[in-house]
Amino acid sequence: AQSVTQLDSQVPVFEEAPVELRCNYSSSVSVYLFWYVQYPNQGLQLLLKYLSGSTLVESINGFEAEFNKSQTSFHLRKPSVHISDTAEYFCAVRAGYGGATNKLIFGTGTLLAVQP
Amino acid sequence: NAGVTQTPKFRILKIGQSMTLQCTQDMNHNYMYWYRQDPGMGLKLIYYSVGAGITDKGEVPNGYNVSRSTTEDFPLRLELAAPSQTSVYFCASRAGGTGELFFGEGSRLTVL
Repeated sequence: AQSVTQLDSQVPVFEEAPVELRCNYSSSVSVYLFWYVQYPNQGLQLLLKYLSGSTLVESINGFEAEFNKSQTSFHLRKPSVHISDTAEYFCAVRAGYGGATNKLIFGTGTLLAVQP
Repeated sequence: NAGVTQTPKFRILKIGQSMTLQCTQDMNHNYMYWYRQDPGMGLKLIYYSVGAGITDKGEVPNGYNVSRSTTEDFPLRLELAAPSQTSVYFCASRAGGTGELFFGEGSRLTVL
């Protein structure tokens, strides 16, 4: 079975500073990895995803994540955050094949709090 | 383009009551999911469906039931509501293959 660990429940950071949100996963098979973002009182939206190929994936709003198979990690980074990036970020994993490929398993989330 | 629509957005139930959370999607997605979100716990998968007539349990199915009679609709039924079912419920859908999940706006349920 797959699982996801987000060790940081909250990450405070000042505006224009860099940030890294950590995500580690566990799986016995190849995986697809995702980062979703949730703004207050809204549903989740896909931020970026790793399916195969290049291990560095980017979003349209400056976030990037790198798939590291040896460390089973998929950390999310942004070199300079804005107040509008304040939200909760969820890492998620889905098996690349087999019955479990139908299930997307989420981590517990990290609240990114950007301060002026 | 409506996407995934959930109703109701808010509901208060008394212990022992039953209710159905409605979810419909207009994207012709085969895969549909119900999650619950609790503070500090992330999202937990309750039930999912890979197509009309096919459903399966997720991580936390106890106390819930689902049905999938059409591609569009995936209602979640709570029988004998308990305070432990106080949560925010999200419905989601995706196309096959590597398609991303599209979420509804959530239904906030309180059981008193």
